[in-house]
Amino acid sequence: AAGVIQSPRHLIKEKRETATLKCYPIPRHDTVYWYQQGPGQDPQFLISFYEKMQSDKGSIPDRFSAQQFSDYHSELNMSSLELGDSALYFCASSRGGARDTQYFGPGTRLTVL
Amino acid sequence: AQSVTQLDSHVSVSEGTPVLLRCNYSSSYSPSLFWYVQHPNKGLQLLLKYTSAATLVKGINGFEAEFKKSETSFHLTKPSAHMSDAAEYFCVVSDRANDYKLSFGAGTTVTVRA
Repeated sequence: AAGVIQSPRHLIKEKRETATLKCYPIPRHDTVYWYQQGPGQDPQFLISFYEKMQSDKGSIPDRFSAQQFSDYHSELNMSSLELGDSALYFCASSRGGARDTQYFGPGTRLTVL
Repeated sequence: AQSVTQLDSHVSVSEGTPVLLRCNYSSSYSPSLFWYVQHPNKGLQLLLKYTSAATLVKGINGFEAEFKKSETSFHLTKPSAHMSDAAEYFCVVSDRANDYKLSFGAGTTVTVRA
């Protein structure tokens, strides 16, 4: 069965640079979620989109922005990167909003040097 | 507010012996409960979920969990551990009071000894 696709899988950036992470949800899923998982921590919710509109917002820094496109894929844009942004970034998708089960992608490991 | 407490940060078992991962939850409404597994450097894989149907939930890879409302628990078990079960396990709760956002426990690291 098709799963959530994330790209790139690994990304290395310098401080103050920008990064763009992409997420392609499971076909027919209309809801996308972004999570950040620091070393040895549980995933923290950043932001979600339902039918291309922001549906919920968590602990997402102002330096980050995200959107969901007409084909339901989503991009997380991160600017002025800091060392503390180094983490595993997960995308999850569900169908019909937050009540449905979320299925996670493999994650993008971002390293900021 | 919803929350999850995983009672063991680390569990070590011998291959072929039972595995028990303990999870207590707090929720004001009928919760949905999940167990996800994360292998090293991998994404989160759904093991099983409870959504107010049968209280004993069977998942993938021989895992099962029992929802006990009176004890506010959702413990994960497997009768016989395999080396491939070595991973991080997260107990997760969601309910409508929190707009169905997922709340993760701190995780339990499982080590399997040969």
